[in-house]
Amino acid sequence: DAKTTQPNSMESNEEEPVHLPCNHSTISGTDYIHWYRQLPSQGPEYVIHGLTSNVNNRMASLAIAEDRKSSTLILHRATLRDAAVYYCIHPNTSGTYKYIFGTGTRLKVLA
Amino acid sequence: NAGVTQTPKFRILKIGQSMTLQCAQDMNHNYMYWYRQDPGMGLKLIYYSVGAGITDKGEVPNGYNVSRSTTEDFPLRLELAAPSQTSVYFCASKTGGDFGELFFGEGSRLTVL
Repeated sequence: DAKTTQPNSMESNEEEPVHLPCNHSTISGTDYIHWYRQLPSQGPEYVIHGLTSNVNNRMASLAIAEDRKSSTLILHRATLRDAAVYYCIHPNTSGTYKYIFGTGTRLKVLA
Repeated sequence: NAGVTQTPKFRILKIGQSMTLQCAQDMNHNYMYWYRQDPGMGLKLIYYSVGAGITDKGEVPNGYNVSRSTTEDFPLRLELAAPSQTSVYFCASKTGGDFGELFFGEGSRLTVL
């Protein structure tokens, strides 16, 4: 099963950028990198995904290393509402379609 | 368009009882998933299905059963409930293909006493 490694927790000041790292050394060439976040007492929600190139959307940016063994989710200006657990996954969609989540990174945003 | 609907939202069971957690989606998604989340922990995949009539085990299938007789519904059955099954259960669905955003339900909080 696809495994990722993320720091257990990170802190950021409000209105500052946040870089959340993820290692995925077992990723295959066709696996997309997905990021989800889970706000307190809610189910996870999609944030962003990418394959090889860096990606931007209204929520965040995703920077993918050239060898694809790591990626970084970038929140450009953290707000208190961004306090959540962030999960990085890379489901094997050429095989089982299992979506395995790890423990994620708990982001604390300080006012 | 309700998305993914889970029932019940809360339930207390006694040890040894059985119950079914219901999950329904109205997005015509082929792929459906059941996860459990223990307090302060990440999500663990219990079972998943890639289409009606097809199910497969995830990371922690013991003590659970599933069925997928329709595209819309993916119930999770707990037989002989144990305190270790106290958790929040999330159902999710997605479209097919290499990428499809997972849509999650609001969760079902189960306590086994």
